[in-house]
Amino acid sequence: AQRVTQPEKLLSVFKGAPVELKCNYSYSGSPELFWYVQYSRQRLQLLLRHISRESIKGFTADLNKGETSFHLKKPFAQEEDSAMYYCALLRAGNMLTFGGGTRLMVKP
Amino acid sequence: DTGVSQDPRHKITKRGQNVTFRCDPISEHNRLYWYRQTLGQGPEFLTYFQNEAQLEKSRLLSDRFSAERPKGSFSTLEIQRTEQGDSAMYLCASSLWETGTYEQYFGPGTRLTVT
Repeated sequence: AQRVTQPEKLLSVFKGAPVELKCNYSYSGSPELFWYVQYSRQRLQLLLRHISRESIKGFTADLNKGETSFHLKKPFAQEEDSAMYYCALLRAGNMLTFGGGTRLMVKP
Repeated sequence: DTGVSQDPRHKITKRGQNVTFRCDPISEHNRLYWYRQTLGQGPEFLTYFQNEAQLEKSRLLSDRFSAERPKGSFSTLEIQRTEQGDSAMYLCASSLWETGTYEQYFGPGTRLTVT
């Protein structure tokens, strides 16, 4: 069965510090993975997807099939990065399986 | 078109009552999804439509839940005989299903409180 695990409910860092939000998955097929973000009082929105291998707002994520991980990283956190971050796995039918989410707090 | 819209945004109901939520997707999107999110958890898939056809339902969707998308545009999610465990945020998302296109656009959600 497919599963997405985000081990940290809360991650608190200071502005300018590096950030790594962890995501591990289990899936028998070839995974398609995403990071979604929800800023305060806003709707859930796509941040990035692994197939595009792009950097959005300074965030990157690399799919590691050996470790079944898709960690989200940013070298220097900004206060505006404070939000809920969800890792999600796409399965057949274009349905998403989400992790439990990690709240990122960037302190000034 | 400003994106996916949901109505109402908040609903408070008494246990045993029926409730219905509406979702209006982005106009050209042919797929529509319903998710449920409880406090401290990520969204969980409930069901999805391609045009007017309901293609999959999660085991989370008990017999008290029914969803429709009669003309392939807006969708409704009805919960009959609500229970306190139904209290959650109900999210709708839509996407344009084409080869290589996976992005789902989410609505603001409907927060249901069952008292």
